[in-house]
Amino acid sequence: LAKTTQPISMDSYEGQEVNITCSHNNIATNDYITWYQQFPSQGPRFIIQGYKTKVTNEVASLFIPADRKSSTLSLPRVSLSDTAVYYCLVGVANTDKLIFGTGTRLQVFP
Amino acid sequence: GAVVSQHPSWVICKSGTSVKIECRSLDFQATTMFWYRQFPKQSLMLMATSNEGSKATYEQGVEKDKFLINHASLTLSTLTVTSAHPEDSSFYICSARDSGLQETQYFGPGTRLLVL
Repeated sequence: LAKTTQPISMDSYEGQEVNITCSHNNIATNDYITWYQQFPSQGPRFIIQGYKTKVTNEVASLFIPADRKSSTLSLPRVSLSDTAVYYCLVGVANTDKLIFGTGTRLQVFP
Repeated sequence: GAVVSQHPSWVICKSGTSVKIECRSLDFQATTMFWYRQFPKQSLMLMATSNEGSKATYEQGVEKDKFLINHASLTLSTLTVTSAHPEDSSFYICSARDSGLQETQYFGPGTRLLVL
């Protein structure tokens, strides 16, 4: 199983861009990389998913280098409502299991 | 994105009773659903994989007779916590994989269980 490593916490201010990097050195060929956001007492919310290079949607961008051993979630111009825990997960090929790591607790200040 | 619901959103029960939690995929079919448990300030812990029409697969250390899982249709999986005890109090979250979107799982809002 690919293990992910993320910073435990990060602080930012409103309007800044936030980049959260995740390491997954043992990622398998068929594994996807998925990021989720979780607010207290809520289920995780899907943010973005990618396999390689760059993926962008209306809320974030995901950068994956060629070796795929890491990925970076980029949140443009964060607001107070982006304060949450962000999880990086690597899909286990052929089993669909998602194993959660510690996540990154992002605190956005005014 | 796809929507997953859970019912109830919270439940309080007496020790020794059983509690059933439902997980539904509202706008897609899911042959596989997953059940997680989350304690305060901790990450989600995978408990079991629920397979439609077959037995669930439990993670190591999770008692299958304690946490009964039934996946009777492509849109519904249930988790029954049998003979609940205070240590079973937790936040239970389900997820479902949208077969139409490769490897994407969508999570329910969670169910808060408090056993007195």
